[in-house]
Amino acid sequence: EIVLTQSPGTLSLSPGERATLSCRASQSVSTNSLAWYQQKPGQAPRLLVYGASSRATGIPDRFSGSGSGTDFTLTIGRLEPEDFAVYYCQQYGSSPLTFGGGTKVEIK
Amino acid sequence: QVQLQESGPGLVKPSETLSLTCTVSGGSIRNYYWIWVRQPPGEGLEWIGYIHYTGRTNYNPSFKSRVTISLDTSKNQFSLKLTSVTAADTAVYYCAREGAMDVWGQGTTVTVSS
Repeated sequence: EIVLTQSPGTLSLSPGERATLSCRASQSVSTNSLAWYQQKPGQAPRLLVYGASSRATGIPDRFSGSGSGTDFTLTIGRLEPEDFAVYYCQQYGSSPLTFGGGTKVEIK
Repeated sequence: QVQLQESGPGLVKPSETLSLTCTVSGGSIRNYYWIWVRQPPGEGLEWIGYIHYTGRTNYNPSFKSRVTISLDTSKNQFSLKLTSVTAADTAVYYCAREGAMDVWGQGTTVTVSS
């Protein structure tokens, strides 16, 4: 099983600042099958990035994914008020599919 | 656009079977993988398993032999059964589409309690 470790656990930032979220895998993620999701309280997760760096439909270009192998990053270029939420990475290249523990991006 | 909707009992007794259905609307159930994910209160996301439209399934080993996912293409639905539930199975249960889950249901809360 691939274990995904996200850091930091909480990121305290102000609107307009840049956010950098990390996801490290315990072994290489097959074909960079790594996705990022945003989840707000009481809502289902929303797909932001798939294939490590491809933005999902309708996702603003301030969200960008990068990385390969075991190290992946989600960058939010300039935080908007609606971006404060919990973010999860997930690998879907090998079974069982696994999620990271999440990074909470909170208003400073 | 494709929408998913979970349905099923919100309360299940310990040792009984949790049964949920996900209805796919606005598109066909064919040509995709269909997934169940759960989220215990205040915790992260856990993949339960998936079913391909051909009927092939794959389950998270952590559920051992308790889980079954099935498909009804005539109704555009897929279902989850989880047997011998305990309080640890209390969670919001989501259905979703594909490995990179691009479409999600709104989620349904299931509480295991007597």
